[in-house]
Amino acid sequence: NAGVMQNPRHLVRRRGQEARLRCSPMKGHSHVYWYRQLPEEGLKFMVYLQKENIIDESGMPKERFSAEFPKEGPSILRIQQVVRGDSAAYFCASSQAVGDGYTFGSGTRLTVV
Amino acid sequence: DQQVKQNSPSLSVQEGRISILNCDYTNSMFDYFLWYKKYPAEGPTFLISISSIKDKNEDGRFTVFLNKSAKHLSLHIVPSQPGDSAVYFCAAANQAGTALIFGKGTTLSVSS
Repeated sequence: NAGVMQNPRHLVRRRGQEARLRCSPMKGHSHVYWYRQLPEEGLKFMVYLQKENIIDESGMPKERFSAEFPKEGPSILRIQQVVRGDSAAYFCASSQAVGDGYTFGSGTRLTVV
Repeated sequence: DQQVKQNSPSLSVQEGRISILNCDYTNSMFDYFLWYKKYPAEGPTFLISISSIKDKNEDGRFTVFLNKSAKHLSLHIVPSQPGDSAVYFCAAANQAGTALIFGKGTTLSVSS
C-alpha cells in the first residue's frame, strides 16, 4: 500500500511561469490537504479537498493559487505567475475521513528563480 | 497571531537521557493535539496524539502530557536515541475543523 505520492520532488520555475504540483493520496483515502512550509516556519494549512469538491480553502492566497481533486487522477495545486516568495516546500496529506490522522507525502520543493 | 507555539527552536540531549519538547496553544477550541517528527527532505510522520479528554497518552518511549488549564502540552522521549534526532512539530485541531495548526518546530539533537 503505497503512501502519499507527490511529484515532482523538486521543481524550479522562473518568475512568471506556472507551477503544477501533484499529489496522489493513499489508497482508500478521499480527503486531501495541502500545506506549505516556508523556510524556518511550521507547516501552514492551505486547502482541504474531497473528490471534485473544495471543502475549506481558508489558507489559500486569494490570487494565483488554485487546487483541484478530480474524480480521476491526482490532486493538483496550481500556482500561476510564480514569484520568489512562492519558493517553499509544499506538502500534501491524505486521510480516510475527517478527523482521522493525516499521512503526509514527502513534499515538493519549489524554487522560483 | 500564532495559535500554536514551540518556543524552543532547538534542544540537545545525550543518548539515554530524557528529551522534553514543549508546546503552548492559545485557542481554547482546540481539542485534539498531535506530534509529528520530520527528517530533512521528508514529509512529517505522525508520532502520537492526545484528545482533550485525557491528560496523558503513552506509546513506547513517547509520552504526551496535556495541561488544559495552562494550554500546554509536552512530549517526553525516554530514553532518547540518536535516531530521534529530527524536527518535532506540535499540531492542534478542533474536532469540527479540518485544518491542523502547526507550531514552528523544535530541532532535537541526540548525541551518543
